[in-house]
Amino acid sequence: GAVVSQHPSRVICKSGTSVKIECRSLDFQATTMFWYRQFPKQSLMLMATSNEGSKATYEQGVEKDKFLINHASLTLSTLTVTSAHPEDSSFYICSAGGVSTDTQYFGPGTRLTVL
Amino acid sequence: AQTVTQSQPEMSVQEAETVTLSCTYDTSESNYYLFWYKQPPSRQMILVIRQEAYKQQNATENRFSVNFQKAAKSFSLKISDSQLGDTAMYFCAFKLGSAGNTPLVFGKGTRLSVIA
Repeated sequence: GAVVSQHPSRVICKSGTSVKIECRSLDFQATTMFWYRQFPKQSLMLMATSNEGSKATYEQGVEKDKFLINHASLTLSTLTVTSAHPEDSSFYICSAGGVSTDTQYFGPGTRLTVL
Repeated sequence: AQTVTQSQPEMSVQEAETVTLSCTYDTSESNYYLFWYKQPPSRQMILVIRQEAYKQQNATENRFSVNFQKAAKSFSLKISDSQLGDTAMYFCAFKLGSAGNTPLVFGKGTRLSVIA
């Protein structure tokens, strides 16, 4: 399957700061990227869907001004958690897909801890 | 809206034995895909197997096979000859359409432990 990377794998930040997470599709053109959030021992919750060159579509209850998503190229999407607070601590996972594939490929995830 | 239900929060199986994980879903659509993903302790999501709704034949991948009952909206995963490396969370997922640009809807997962 295709390879998707995420960086950083782990980040610790102070409350009030912003954190950027990168998701890269290494070997195929991802016209669509998805961002999920996963709390401990729970399932993945879709936060937003981003199409290359367009604004992201956010799920109900997800603050778009807090979780800024950019998908400027077919290989890179970024999630910026602005003014992070301890309740934003979680595991964030991206996945990449496209019209030419029926499957999504997942990145390894980013563990965010806000102190 | 589509929903996916996994009714078994935890299961265990002896090494080399067979185990079946259950999944049901709800949709009024006819064109969709179903997936089983594995999430080991590393938390990397790994695709185990997928099934296209319009195909009647059950998908198989080595030791993994599914029992897809479209009318009953059931999609169970059978793991044969269980190995210690199969220990993980298993998520059943639903996707509308055939392209990869629609999001996955996940069940709550089943934690599988393979016992030596």
